[in-house]
Amino acid sequence: EDQVTQSPEALRLQEGESSSLNCSYTVSGLRGLFWYRQDPGKGPEFLFTLYSAGEEKEKERLKATLTKKESFLHITAPKPEDSATYLCAVLVEGNKLVFGAGTILRVKS
Amino acid sequence: KAGVTQTPRYLIKTRGQQVTLSCSPISGHRSVSWYQQTPGQGLQFLFEYFSETQRNKGNFPGRFSGRQFSNSRSEMNVSTLELGDSALYLCASSLGGPEQFFGPGTRLTVL
Repeated sequence: EDQVTQSPEALRLQEGESSSLNCSYTVSGLRGLFWYRQDPGKGPEFLFTLYSAGEEKEKERLKATLTKKESFLHITAPKPEDSATYLCAVLVEGNKLVFGAGTILRVKS
Repeated sequence: KAGVTQTPRYLIKTRGQQVTLSCSPISGHRSVSWYQQTPGQGLQFLFEYFSETQRNKGNFPGRFSGRQFSNSRSEMNVSTLELGDSALYLCASSLGGPEQFFGPGTRLTVL
């Protein structure tokens, strides 16, 4: 069964305190790994797509990396506006996204 | 370019009723997928439509159905509502490839 696990469930950081979120997956036929950001009451906002082990993508304070079994979302010097739920998803056969439960990030100033 | 739009944004129904939700994809996108998001189960795939045909389906009962029109707009219907159907229903559109872009969702409350 396709499975995506995210850790930690929640993370509290001080402004400027860098950290990483983890997404591990067990799937057959991985067609891509996606990171989304979701703010309360809103739909997920697309951040990154990674397709192969070793690939990295960056956007502002965020950097996503991919290995054969997991992905990391590194947050460098976060700001309070980075507070959100970060969702990891894998695309499997059937053009279906399988999501993890998410990591709730709170950045305090 | 306008994003994915969903209507209505909020809906309150009672058990046993049925409901229809609407989704307009990004212009030019032909694929529309529907997801259910609940605190307990997270985001779960319902189904995908491409060029008016259901291309893929998740593990939901037959009470959940959908359709897509020739202009790519999609509707999702839930019949005989149950309390457990209370959720945020999200629509995502894509060109047909892997990257999906989500709308703001419809918050359904079943009383």
